[in-house]
Amino acid sequence: EDQVTQSPEALRLQEGESSSLNCSYTVSGLRGLFWYRQDPGKGPEFLFTLYSAGEEKEKERLKATLTKKESFLHITAPKPEDSATYLCAVRFQGGKLIFGQGTELSVKP
Amino acid sequence: GAVVSQHPSWVICKSGTSVKIECRSLDFQATTMFWYRQFPKQSLMLMATSNEGSKATYEQGVEKDKFLINHASLTLSTLTVTSAHPEDSSFYICSARDPVGGADTQYFGPGTRLTVL
Repeated sequence: EDQVTQSPEALRLQEGESSSLNCSYTVSGLRGLFWYRQDPGKGPEFLFTLYSAGEEKEKERLKATLTKKESFLHITAPKPEDSATYLCAVRFQGGKLIFGQGTELSVKP
Repeated sequence: GAVVSQHPSWVICKSGTSVKIECRSLDFQATTMFWYRQFPKQSLMLMATSNEGSKATYEQGVEKDKFLINHASLTLSTLTVTSAHPEDSSFYICSARDPVGGADTQYFGPGTRLTVL
């Protein structure tokens, strides 16, 4: 069964405290892994797309990496404005996105 | 990135009435759009895939007669919740796939909060 699991469910960091979010998947025929940021009461905002193992993408304090079984979203020296829920989604051969449950990140000043 | 809009952003209606939600891709043409619903503290659940000029494909367990989807143009898809009931109260989010450049990324609208009294 195709499945996407994110951990941890919630993460509290102090400003400047770097950490990583995990997204593991069991999907046959991966057609892309996507990271989104979602603020309360809003739609998801696109961050990154990764297609193959070993691929990395960076944007400001965020860096996404991909292996054959999982992806990591590394947050370097986070700021309070990075607080949000981060969603991982996987597209498989059927074309649909399967979303993980998300990681709720809170960064305290 | 590409922009997707939704209207209205929130709506309150009485039980038994119908509500229409619009989803527009503002700066690209989307042959495929998707409708999701999201309950508090939960992730997005795909309801249906909307293809321009053809019938929508619904996910298992989603009533197609209750959630009517129309994708009449390359920039507009609509979701109509018919005979709404309180259990239909949720956050409805649409997305559109932008195939330009080969990235084939889905961009999401801001969502519509539906409250059925």
